[in-house]
Amino acid sequence: ETGVTQTPRHLVMGMTNKKSLKCEQHLGHNAMYWYKQSAKKPLELMFVYNFKEQTENNSVPSRFSPECPNSSHLFLHLHTLQPEDSALYLCASSQEKAAEKLFFGSGTQLSVL
Amino acid sequence: QKEVEQNSGPLSVPEGAIASLNCTYSDRGSQSFFWYRQYSGKSPELIMSIYSNGDKEDGRFTAQLNKASQYVSLLIRDSQPSDSATYLCAVTSSGYALNFGKGTSLLVTP
Repeated sequence: ETGVTQTPRHLVMGMTNKKSLKCEQHLGHNAMYWYKQSAKKPLELMFVYNFKEQTENNSVPSRFSPECPNSSHLFLHLHTLQPEDSALYLCASSQEKAAEKLFFGSGTQLSVL
Repeated sequence: QKEVEQNSGPLSVPEGAIASLNCTYSDRGSQSFFWYRQYSGKSPELIMSIYSNGDKEDGRFTAQLNKASQYVSLLIRDSQPSDSATYLCAVTSSGYALNFGKGTSLLVTP
């Protein structure tokens, strides 16, 4: 496996469900990110982890809970989501101090019913 | 609010023509500027970066930066149908938090 892989590719969940998104990078990078991409809106940065430490939480609601057990893996735990949370969730990684050169995964298309 | 503005398009150009994509930003402290390309149903990929005023060329792509006018652009010469995609402008002052525009949809017609 190469690059940044995300699972699942598609997810449909009810508002009372709990689910998790998984991201794994095989690039030897030290920083990992969660972005949200909604229709007709800019990519929104949600969380940044650098060397497993969270360095940024961009005012994200607590129903989104990130976890970074090591520099290669990143999770986004979801619970009691709202329909407006339906979006494409993109994971990305970068070398430390080259955060602008992001390598994105294919994303998880999330639908909240 | 640090904003990055792009015309959403679609911008339609004939094959072989020059496509010109524009972006303005609000944060005068911005230091680094990027263009990402996103094909439909795919994730964004970095195609150009520029850090100082002037032009930077890479193959058929030229990025132009004017910090005084808070303006960055991307020129695509000899446009090909395979260039049809959404182009995202991204700007950062901190190095960690990229601020993205909504993107410009480009359609290159044969």
